[in-house]
Amino acid sequence: DTGVSQDPRHKITKRGQNVTFRCDPISEHNRLYWYRQTLGQGPEFLTYFQNEAQLEKSRLLSDRFSAERPKGSFSTLEIQRTEQGDSAMYLCASSSISYEQYFGPGTRLTVT
Amino acid sequence: GENVEQHPSTLSVQEGDSAVIKCTYSDSASNYFPWYKQELGKGPQLIIDIRSNVGEKKDQRIAVTLNKTAKHFSLHITETQPEDSAVYFCAASDRGAQKLVFGQGTRLTINP
Repeated sequence: DTGVSQDPRHKITKRGQNVTFRCDPISEHNRLYWYRQTLGQGPEFLTYFQNEAQLEKSRLLSDRFSAERPKGSFSTLEIQRTEQGDSAMYLCASSSISYEQYFGPGTRLTVT
Repeated sequence: GENVEQHPSTLSVQEGDSAVIKCTYSDSASNYFPWYKQELGKGPQLIIDIRSNVGEKKDQRIAVTLNKTAKHFSLHITETQPEDSAVYFCAASDRGAQKLVFGQGTRLTINP
């Protein structure tokens, strides 16, 4: 399967803990996006990389959130000091120079 | 920034009938409009897209129309089948086909 992969698929954590998610894009795609989706809503943009450069961050991405794409391949999204409001599905998508964004299966985060 | 409104929020049709979902957008600079299908527990799947230099695009039972003047676009599914049951999201690109701004979603149910 050469689609976008995300790990883990599910994460349950206690409030105040740190969590890290990984995204592996489609191999020839140089653009990588993170979105957050809460129940019953459409995905909301968080941040975007072109190769290893982080080009845009949403105001939704507070200081507790950080994303990296160190070698322009996989990306990680870290949430520090998790809060119950962080519970959501975190989606990763990738694209080439064309417009189409292809999504991974997501990581469902539950903060207890 | 861009704002996308999607209607209806739920839609129930008989198998074999057609389904239409409508979206409006606010930013006249938006130039790319994809549609995604999301099944329970999965990431959004790109099913069709249209760019602003085209008024209509068709792929088998699925078609999308775009009215740039009115800033609205629609998804048409003909000869619906039970496997078409899912949540459908429209989206619009904001500032150069980077981040996508999504509508709120339509839960489509196909009744056998």
